[in-house]
Amino acid sequence: EIVMTQSPATLSVSPGERATLSCRASQSVSINLAWYQQKPGQAPRLLIYGASTRATGIPPRFSGSGSGTEFTLTISSLQSEDFAVYYCQQYNNWLNFGQGTKLEIK
Amino acid sequence: EVQLVQSGAEVKKPGESLKISCKGSGYSFTSYWIGWVRQMPGKGLEWMGIIYPGDSDTRYSPSFQGHITISADKSISTAYLQWSSLKASDTAMYYCARQGYSSSPGDYWGQGTLVTVSS
Repeated sequence: EIVMTQSPATLSVSPGERATLSCRASQSVSINLAWYQQKPGQAPRLLIYGASTRATGIPPRFSGSGSGTEFTLTISSLQSEDFAVYYCQQYNNWLNFGQGTKLEIK
Repeated sequence: EVQLVQSGAEVKKPGESLKISCKGSGYSFTSYWIGWVRQMPGKGLEWMGIIYPGDSDTRYSPSFQGHITISADKSISTAYLQWSSLKASDTAMYYCARQGYSSSPGDYWGQGTLVTVSS
């Protein structure tokens, strides 16, 4: 089983600043990596797939990068609605999520 | 508009059976996979299993194999997740999600079904 590890567990950032979230896979997943956003009481929303392709309707301030075992989600200028929990997911071999990073207001 | 609408919240006792549903609309239901995802209270996401309604090809995560059954009725564009004997540890929010392939992310999600198992 591929284990996905996200860091940090909690990230405190001020609105307007940049946020960088990391995700590491225990073995290579190529670019078969997605990022989701989940707000309290809501279903997850797909942000990024293929490591760097934004899903439909996702604003350009969200960007993804990486391949193999190391991946990054960057939010260039945080808006109030961006504070949420973010999950990475590999889909190279079955589907496994990371444990999540909570992005909170500093 | 693509929509996945799930059945309502359930409260059950340990040992009881349960079947929850996920109805798709706005797309060709038989051309996409449906996955089921568990989220225990205050915890992360776990992919439980998937089904292709076109031919009922079903695959389970090893962590859930034998404890759940996933099925679909393509005539009414609905997928199901069922338990024959619930445990307290099955208390969780359950989501369905549409997937383009068996190994692809969920692009549209249902609103979730809260299952509470308590004596």
